[in-house]
Amino acid sequence: NAGVMQNPRHLVRRRGQEARLRCSPMKGHSHVYWYRQLPEEGLKFMVYLQKENIIDESGMPKERFSAEFPKEGPSILRIQQVVRGDSAAYFCASSPATSGRGEQFFGPGTRLTVL
Amino acid sequence: GEDVEQSLFLSVREGDSSVINCTYTDSSSTYLYWYKQEPGAGLQLLTYIFSNMDMKQDQRLTVLLNKKDKHLSLRIADTQTGDSAIYFCAESNNAGNMLTFGGGTRLMVKP
Repeated sequence: NAGVMQNPRHLVRRRGQEARLRCSPMKGHSHVYWYRQLPEEGLKFMVYLQKENIIDESGMPKERFSAEFPKEGPSILRIQQVVRGDSAAYFCASSPATSGRGEQFFGPGTRLTVL
Repeated sequence: GEDVEQSLFLSVREGDSSVINCTYTDSSSTYLYWYKQEPGAGLQLLTYIFSNMDMKQDQRLTVLLNKKDKHLSLRIADTQTGDSAIYFCAESNNAGNMLTFGGGTRLMVKP
């Protein structure tokens, strides 16, 4: 049973370009979460999605950032017109719909570097 | 809002016990968690505790929860060099769909 998959593992972009980060949840998991980890800091919640629905995006910056989790395929976190401050590790987590313990299983992360 | 605090750094000798502490502010949290992050890797769930429990033991790991003081600790017995990592405590919100993490405690185990 494969864990949460994220790709790419490392992504380098120049200022102004777009970054697309992909996340495939664990098999059987229908809930996806995105977190951002700035250097030397803890993880900060960004968004929580279920299939075709954004449930909670209270941690997402209002501009340039968007997320989706289509019916088919991985969840995508999209950052338009990247700036140096977007450089961070972006982690995706997933959980089954019925997890009463709120456990989230994390992927290995995508490390974004903006030049 | 929620806030989770941890000390930044802990150094112990191999074979000693490690105790990593965490304080949180959201008294409505149902579950509290400990995650381990090795360099360049994602987070691995180590253990969790339900908020109506005081203690949970899982092999070398002991979690203590003082709900009155909103204090959580993780004790690692017989610490090994392979335990060197960053340890994050986290609390879930009431709906259980958002984790709030502390800043992480870097554990260094000296041989």
